[in-house]
Amino acid sequence: SQTIHQWPATLVQPVGSPLSLECTVEGTSNPNLYWYRQAAGRGLQLLFYSVGIGQISSEVPQNLSASRPQDRQFILSSKKLLLSDSGFYLCAWSSGPRGEQYFGPGTRLTVT
Amino acid sequence: GQQVMQIPQYQHVQEGEDFTTYCNSSTTLSNIQWYKQRPGGHPVFLIQLVKSGEVKKQKRLTFQFGEAKKNSSLHITATQTTDVGTYFCAGPSSNTGKLIFGQGTTLQVKP
Repeated sequence: SQTIHQWPATLVQPVGSPLSLECTVEGTSNPNLYWYRQAAGRGLQLLFYSVGIGQISSEVPQNLSASRPQDRQFILSSKKLLLSDSGFYLCAWSSGPRGEQYFGPGTRLTVT
Repeated sequence: GQQVMQIPQYQHVQEGEDFTTYCNSSTTLSNIQWYKQRPGGHPVFLIQLVKSGEVKKQKRLTFQFGEAKKNSSLHITATQTTDVGTYFCAGPSSNTGKLIFGQGTTLQVKP
């Protein structure tokens, strides 16, 4: 069966510090991968999606970036965090763009 | 651009009461999906509807896809405290195929 891992679960970082969040998927090949951000009590904002290794599409201009160095690995990064980067970051995978998505447990990021 | 809207945004019910959330798309959808996010948790896929007028049931949950494939509803019969959470609908963009999520309906159940 397929599983999706995200780490860390929680993170507190100062403004201006770098960020690296990792997501890995097991049990499937060539998944579509997604990064979402969710502000407290709000909906899901799609940040990046990837249909294959090295293929990244950005949905929202910001100081975040994403990379997919391996088929089942998706990384979210920032060189310098802003206060507004605080939120709940969720990674998800699907077998195709129109199919159901399966979410990881998420990372709660607080920028202080 | 294409939008998926959900109403209501919040709903407070007494345990045992019924609950319904509605999802409306600005364009025809090839499918509609529903997710549940428990407080502090991550969204979990519940179901996908594909056919016009389709109705599916999962225990006390009834999902319906409209005849025009532009709207959907989720109805919970006799709510329980375990139903607490935010329910999201999502449909594929007609242009890109990527899922567009509604803003969600947060359900609170008073015991």
